[in-house]
Amino acid sequence: DVKVTQSSRYLVKRTGEKVFLECVQDMDHENMFWYRQDPGLGLRLIYFSYDVKMKEKGDIPEGYSVSREKKERFSLILESASTNQTSMYLCASSSEPGSGANVLTFGAGSRLTVL
Amino acid sequence: AQSVTQPDIHITVSEGASLELRCNYSYGATPYLFWYVQSPGQGLQLLLKYFSGDTLVQGIKGFEAEFKRSQSSFNLRKPSVHWSDAAEYFCATFTGGGNKLTFGTGTQLKVEL
Repeated sequence: DVKVTQSSRYLVKRTGEKVFLECVQDMDHENMFWYRQDPGLGLRLIYFSYDVKMKEKGDIPEGYSVSREKKERFSLILESASTNQTSMYLCASSSEPGSGANVLTFGAGSRLTVL
Repeated sequence: AQSVTQPDIHITVSEGASLELRCNYSYGATPYLFWYVQSPGQGLQLLLKYFSGDTLVQGIKGFEAEFKRSQSSFNLRKPSVHWSDAAEYFCATFTGGGNKLTFGTGTQLKVEL
């Protein structure tokens, strides 16, 4: 089974801190994604990456950046955390688009609280 | 852009009763549609997907979904709900080409014993 591992399940940070959320997948997938999940809003795409050192903005990229230096690792960075970034963050990966191939596999999530 | 709507925020059913969760999509051509489930404290797990072909799709855990173009719907069904089915369910579709998945706002399922 594909495994997507998010290193931190729960984090508590203070306003203005720099926050790193790490995600690692073990199936050599090309595509990786960061979503944010909030009650009543579902999942919203923050950033995604089709390849190493490549990134694309999703629907809500403001206040976030990403890094993909290695194929298996995709990091989400909050340069200066704010209270409105308190949320559940979900990482996902998938292989190349194609019939049956573009199914996302999700990590367990990282719940971030910004005080 | 393609999108999906889940009109029900919360649904409560009794264990053993049948279940139908609604999902409506907006897209002219045949969309790619998915149902995911999120159990408490977990990530999302794929239940089933529809790309083309047979409009009745079977998934894991006894779930099925039917694609109805005339109604722009892709509703999820289960004939007999188990207490372990209590979770949040998300309908999703691809947008903007490539691999970007757009989710509905989710339906929280509660199962009464």
